[in-house]
Amino acid sequence: GAVVSQHPSWVICKSGTSVKIECRSLDFQATTMFWYRQFPKQSLMLMATSNEGSKATYEQGVEKDKFLINHASLTLSTLTVTSAHPEDSSFYICRCRAASGANVLTFGAGSRLTVL
Amino acid sequence: GNSVTQMEGPVTLSEEAFLTINCTYTATGYPSLFWYVQYPGEGLQLLLKATKADDKGSNKGFEATYRKETTSFHLEKGSVQVSDSAVYFCALSLTQGGSEKLVFGKGTKLTVNP
Repeated sequence: GAVVSQHPSWVICKSGTSVKIECRSLDFQATTMFWYRQFPKQSLMLMATSNEGSKATYEQGVEKDKFLINHASLTLSTLTVTSAHPEDSSFYICRCRAASGANVLTFGAGSRLTVL
Repeated sequence: GNSVTQMEGPVTLSEEAFLTINCTYTATGYPSLFWYVQYPGEGLQLLLKATKADDKGSNKGFEATYRKETTSFHLEKGSVQVSDSAVYFCALSLTQGGSEKLVFGKGTKLTVNP
């Protein structure tokens, strides 16, 4: 149980285009989803926290207009990197917390974005 | 502030060698402590955790003890296998202002050779 799926796992895009990454909780309902960014040989940095049905809370220094987060249902959150540039190339990982009250915190497998 | 410092890698060991990856933390309050493992091309998986001082987390032969006096949570395994090759992250979790914060170390890459 507690499986989280991220899609796509790999994406390459041209500079200036927008890319959407999906995070789905497959067998549980996630009231809260977290989005992280991981630079090569660096740790995970929290970008934003999203609760189902409300606006995401962004960490200091993260541009909300650049990284659009939508958490429209208890099983799906999306991260859209708008007008992507090479410096946005990174590994993006989501983490889901169950609505059940059990302390279930599960990471997705991550999505590697390369912007040319 | 809250932070996690873990030993820099990479760490290269031979199979059946003893493993220690050091982790220390600073935190305001009483955090829970975690070790996560990231296998190549995959996301993070929880390896073990400890929620209070002197607790020992263990899983798959790995162990770590929550040491409040030294603010440490070192990861150990008595005999590593090739399949243990991965990146290991130490992390702490605190609830502040009603929201949970998870802070990671930079990760330590472990390579185990046959």
